[in-house]
This record gives sequence, structure tokens and C-alpha cells, in this order.
Amino acid sequence: AQKVTQAQTEISVVEKEDVTLDCVYETRDTTYYLFWYKQPPSGELVFLIRRNSFDEQNEISGRYSWNFQKSTSSFNFTITASQVVDSAVYFCALSGYNAGNMLTFGGGTRLMVKP
Amino acid sequence: KAGVTQTPRYLIKTRGQQVTLSCSPISGHRSVSWYQQTPGQGLQFLFEYFSETQRNKGNFPGRFSGRQFSNSRSEMNVSTLELGDSALYLCASSGLAGGSTDTQYFGPGTRLTVL
Repeated sequence: AQKVTQAQTEISVVEKEDVTLDCVYETRDTTYYLFWYKQPPSGELVFLIRRNSFDEQNEISGRYSWNFQKSTSSFNFTITASQVVDSAVYFCALSGYNAGNMLTFGGGTRLMVKP
Repeated sequence: KAGVTQTPRYLIKTRGQQVTLSCSPISGHRSVSWYQQTPGQGLQFLFEYFSETQRNKGNFPGRFSGRQFSNSRSEMNVSTLELGDSALYLCASSGLAGGSTDTQYFGPGTRLTVL
């Protein structure tokens, strides 16, 4: 069975602060994929990043960065210099190699960035 | 490219009725997946269709069904609606061609309210 845990249900920061969203996963698959999605109030899930289990390189995209550590089964997401527009619910998700497109989602972290 | 579209965006039904939701994937995408999002259970996978065949199915009762047409458009049907079926139903498409996991792009969702 696969499981994704996002222990932080809600985080509140002031604009320009850095914030890290935690994601811990469980899977028996040796090949798997990890994702982060953003869900703004409009409801649509917006794809942010996809990482496969063989690629542990950290990635940076503008103010966003991701830290994948297989040893601790974690795939954390950091927003640098947060902005009000970053306010949303963020979901971490996992899919096993043989699971096709079946994503297992974490419970989500609601991020509120105050001006 | 146009994104994933879902119709209708909002629906209000009463218990015992049935409902059909529609999803048009991104042009060229052949895989369509459906997810249910509720405050209590979070995001849960319903089923995935690829080339008109159901490839994966989540843990939902038989009242939930779906199909995919030759143009990759998909519909899901919920019969004998219950109050607990009130949720945001999200559709996702991907350009998956083989057996591994591809990135899924989500539509805006259909918000179903059962009274």
C-alpha cells in the first residue's frame, strides 16, 4: 500500500518569509514518482513538479525548490520569499511504476501568506 | 493547447438521483483519470481510462462508473446519489503511451452538491 503524509495541515507566514512544506511517503515500489500540485481557491490542481525515484537531484525553479531524500522518504517543497499569490493548498502525491496514473495524495497543506 | 475541460462546473441533485459528469482531455492525451475531493477524505482516485478501457479502479462502490469514448473524452456516472457523494470531482488527463506514470493535468472540477 502507498501512503503520503503531509503533517502540516496549515501554515501561516508573512510575505517574503521562506516556507517549507513537508512530505513523507511510503511505498514498496522500487520505481515510483512523486509530484507536487498547487490548488488555488478556484479548485483546479496545478502541476508543479514530477520526480522519479532514481533522480535525487534537488531542483530549483525560480522561488520554488524541492528536496528529495530517499533515505528519509521525504520530498519537501520550499518557497523562498513567499508572496500573497502563493496562498493555496499544496498537495504531495505518489504513484508507483505499475500503478499507471493512479495518484495517492497527501492530505494537503494550506499555506496562507499575509501581506 | 487548451487545458482539460469539465462540464458542468456546478450541479445540485437530490438523493436517489443519478448524475453524469463530462471531461474533455488535452488534445492528444489518451489517458483520463477521475478523482473525488471531499473535506473528510481528501483526494481519492476513482478510476482511469486509457483507449476506452478502464485500466485502474479505486475503492469506490459500483454506483460510480465511467467510460471513455474514441475521441478520449470521458464521462463518469454516479447512480442513486447519497449525501456523502457531495464533492469536487476532478478529471485529469495525461499523454501516457506506455505502462509508466505520466504527468497528469487537471481540469477545474465539477462541484456536486447532493441535497
